[in-house]
Amino acid sequence: AQSVTQLDSHVSVSEGTPVLLRCNYSSSYSPSLFWYVQHPNKGLQLLLKYTSAATLVKGINGFEAEFKKSETSFHLTKPSAHMSDAAEYFCVVSADNYGQNFVFGPGTRLSVLP
Amino acid sequence: NAGVTQTPKFQVLKTGQSMTLQCAQDMNHEYMSWYRQDPGMGLRLIHYSVGAGITDQGEVPNGYNVSRSTTEDFPLRLLSAAPSQTSVYFCASSYSTASGGAGTQYFGPGTRLTVL
Repeated sequence: AQSVTQLDSHVSVSEGTPVLLRCNYSSSYSPSLFWYVQHPNKGLQLLLKYTSAATLVKGINGFEAEFKKSETSFHLTKPSAHMSDAAEYFCVVSADNYGQNFVFGPGTRLSVLP
Repeated sequence: NAGVTQTPKFQVLKTGQSMTLQCAQDMNHEYMSWYRQDPGMGLRLIHYSVGAGITDQGEVPNGYNVSRSTTEDFPLRLLSAAPSQTSVYFCASSYSTASGGAGTQYFGPGTRLTVL
């Protein structure tokens, strides 16, 4: 079975400092991996996705993630946090090779301090 | 394109009542899914569909029914509401890519359901 672990339930950074949100996955197939962001009382927005092309994936709003097969990781980074980045972030793995049945991690809440 | 739309936005039910959450998409996507979101648990898959007439169970299907008579619509039915079904419900649609990998999931705005 596929699963996703987000190693931190809450991360707090100061504005202007780097962001690292960690994600590890397990999958029987070559996975498709995604990061979604959810701002308070809002829906989910795609930040970026990995689908077996380049291992370093660039997304919106300056975020990027690196797929490391040997470590089964897909960590999300941003060089400099902005106040508007405060939100819940979800790492997601596609749980079958037909691209359906997505499995979500429990989420990491990012706080950005002034 | 309206994308993925959900109605209603908010709903309060009494235990034992039934209701249908509506979901529609105008992107001609093959795949549609229903999730529930509970604090600290991320989103959990309830049911999904890989095309009109085809549905399957996800992680937490008990107490819910779905059908997919058209590509556009994927309603979720609560048969007899229970307080444990208090949650925020999201509908999503997606597509398969030419390489066979997962396409992006597009989410609706959510329905906040309270069962008393």
